Amino acid sequence: AQSVTQPDIHITVSEGASLELRCNYSYGATPYLFWYVQSPGQGLQLLLKYFSGDTLVQGIKGFEAEFKRSQSSFNLRKPSVHWSDAAEYFCAVDSGYSSASKIIFGSGTRLSIRP
Amino acid sequence: GAVVSQHPSWVICKSGTSVKIECRSLDFQATTMFWYRQFPKQSLMLMATSNEGSKATYEQGVEKDKFLINHASLTLSTLTVTSAHPEDSSFYICSAWGGGGTEAFFGQGTRLTVV
Repeated sequence: AQSVTQPDIHITVSEGASLELRCNYSYGATPYLFWYVQSPGQGLQLLLKYFSGDTLVQGIKGFEAEFKRSQSSFNLRKPSVHWSDAAEYFCAVDSGYSSASKIIFGSGTRLSIRP
Repeated sequence: GAVVSQHPSWVICKSGTSVKIECRSLDFQATTMFWYRQFPKQSLMLMATSNEGSKATYEQGVEKDKFLINHASLTLSTLTVTSAHPEDSSFYICSAWGGGGTEAFFGQGTRLTVV
């Protein structure tokens, strides 16, 4: 069965520092991959997605992610974080759209920003 | 992106009563809708998948008689929490998928508090 692992429960970085959030997936074929952000008490906002093609994906708010098939990873990066980036980040995988597929979420990584 | 509206955004109800949550796709027809549940500081857990005009498919451990899902049209799915109890208090999020090579879009979530 497909699964998503986010090994870091909580990360704290200084404002202006670079960020990398880890995500590993388990799936037999190439899945569709997503990163979502959730502010406290809010819904989900899609940051970026990978379906196929270029393995380096650009998203909103200056985020990017790189799909590495050999490592089954889809890590999220940002070169310089802002205080407003503090939130919960979820990596997710979808098995595809040939049928009624479903998105499976990782456990999430909470990002705190140090002033 | 496409818009999915979830209503209400928050609700407080008495123990033993039933609560209905609506999920609407505003600018596309949703072949499939998904319902998720999120406990505080935890990830989103898929509860059920519903296709228009057919019975919902529930994930293991989700009581179908307690969480009634109706997907009567291509733009509306409802989740009814029957005989709610305090342990049902949670954040419920829906997503809607229009089929083909598209992604699923999420509603803003409903915070249910049972007192």
